[in-house]
Amino acid sequence: DTGVSQNPRHKITKRGQNVTFRCDPISEHNRLYWYRQTLGQGPEFLTYFQNEAQLEKSRLLSDRFSAERPKGSFSTLEIQRTEQGDSAMYLCASSLGYEQYFGPGTRLTVT
Amino acid sequence: AQTVTQSQPEMSVQEAETVTLSCTYDTSESDYYLFWYKQPPSRQMILVIRQEAYKQQNATENRFSVNFQKAAKSFSLKISDSQLGDAAMYFCAYRSPTHGSSNTGKLIFGQGTTLQVKP
Repeated sequence: DTGVSQNPRHKITKRGQNVTFRCDPISEHNRLYWYRQTLGQGPEFLTYFQNEAQLEKSRLLSDRFSAERPKGSFSTLEIQRTEQGDSAMYLCASSLGYEQYFGPGTRLTVT
Repeated sequence: AQTVTQSQPEMSVQEAETVTLSCTYDTSESDYYLFWYKQPPSRQMILVIRQEAYKQQNATENRFSVNFQKAAKSFSLKISDSQLGDAAMYFCAYRSPTHGSSNTGKLIFGQGTTLQVKP
């Protein structure tokens, strides 16, 4: 399977803990996006990488959030000091042209 | 800033019938892309169909077609011969072109429409 993969698929954590998610894009795709989706809503943009450079961050991305894409390959999204409001599905998408291909997402539950 | 609105939270259709999902958007740009994505329950987002704003011809992909009205800023999705597997949440999305340093190609999504297909 050469699609976008994300790990873990589910994460349950206690408030205040740190969590890290990983996204592996389609291999030749230089563009990588992170989105957040709450139940029954459309995804909202969080951040964008072109190769290894992080070129845009949404205002939704507070200082507790950090993302990296070392060497322009996989990407990680870390949330520090999680809050209950962080509970959501975190989606990763990659693209080469103008179509974005999504991974299965990581569902985060903060208790 | 661009916005996307889907005014139908839920729709239902009888199997083998046709259904149309509505989407309107707001933008001051003349060049952009529009998409419909399908998200089945607990499964990943799948691209259904795309439309480039500079193309007057409506896009078609098998049983899926769009009605793109650029002046009205409307982009509806028609599903013909509905199948049980079409049941999902459908999202309309807008994308700016990426020429220019400020445009990263991020997608702006509507709120979604849940489609139920009745056997």
